[in-house]
Amino acid sequence: DGGITQSPKYLFRKEGQNVTLSCEQNLNHDAMYWYRQDPGQGLRLIYYSQIVNDFQKGDIAEGYSVSREKKESFPLTVTSAQKNPTAFYLCASRLTSGGLTDTQYFGPGTRLTVL
Amino acid sequence: KQEVTQIPAALSVPEGENLVLNCSFTDSAIYNLQWFRQDPGKGLTSLLLIQSSQREQTSGRLNASLDKSSGRSTLYIAASQPGDSATYLCAVKTDKLIFGTGTRLQVFP
Repeated sequence: DGGITQSPKYLFRKEGQNVTLSCEQNLNHDAMYWYRQDPGQGLRLIYYSQIVNDFQKGDIAEGYSVSREKKESFPLTVTSAQKNPTAFYLCASRLTSGGLTDTQYFGPGTRLTVL
Repeated sequence: KQEVTQIPAALSVPEGENLVLNCSFTDSAIYNLQWFRQDPGKGLTSLLLIQSSQREQTSGRLNASLDKSSGRSTLYIAASQPGDSATYLCAVKTDKLIFGTGTRLQVFP
């Protein structure tokens, strides 16, 4: 089955620790995205990548880092510099060859709780 | 700065009712508008995508309209069912997707 997988589903970490969230897609999509969702708020863009070995900051990149070494993988690291990391994190991908109208496909999400 | 607002924030209706969810945006310079569904603790599923040149899109019991000049979109759900219970998000495409805060819908039997 084609799709986007995120792991783990739930993640607990102590304050001050870095943590890496996994996102893998087998849709052969070029672009990948990381969003953060907080209760009562819309999704906010953290980072995105249009091609391998290239990525750009979104609206709330501070305290986060990413890499795009492979087309199918776009891991997100939440660093100790992120002041309020507890949130629901969503990864998405998009086939860019179809132009700006292509929809984004979302993974199931990872709920990160910092204790 | 583009802002997307969804009203109401929450809605509870009996099964069988037709209902309308509203989405408004402040800047009409968009490429498209999408409606997504999100079940609790899950990712988003795309329901309908309306390109900027289109007025509406339909899929089954769902119909979405777009009025770019007034900065509004509506999602019409016909004959609602308990399985429609979820949060519905709209998003406009500029150089990125900008999301509204969603409408949490509950359809009770």
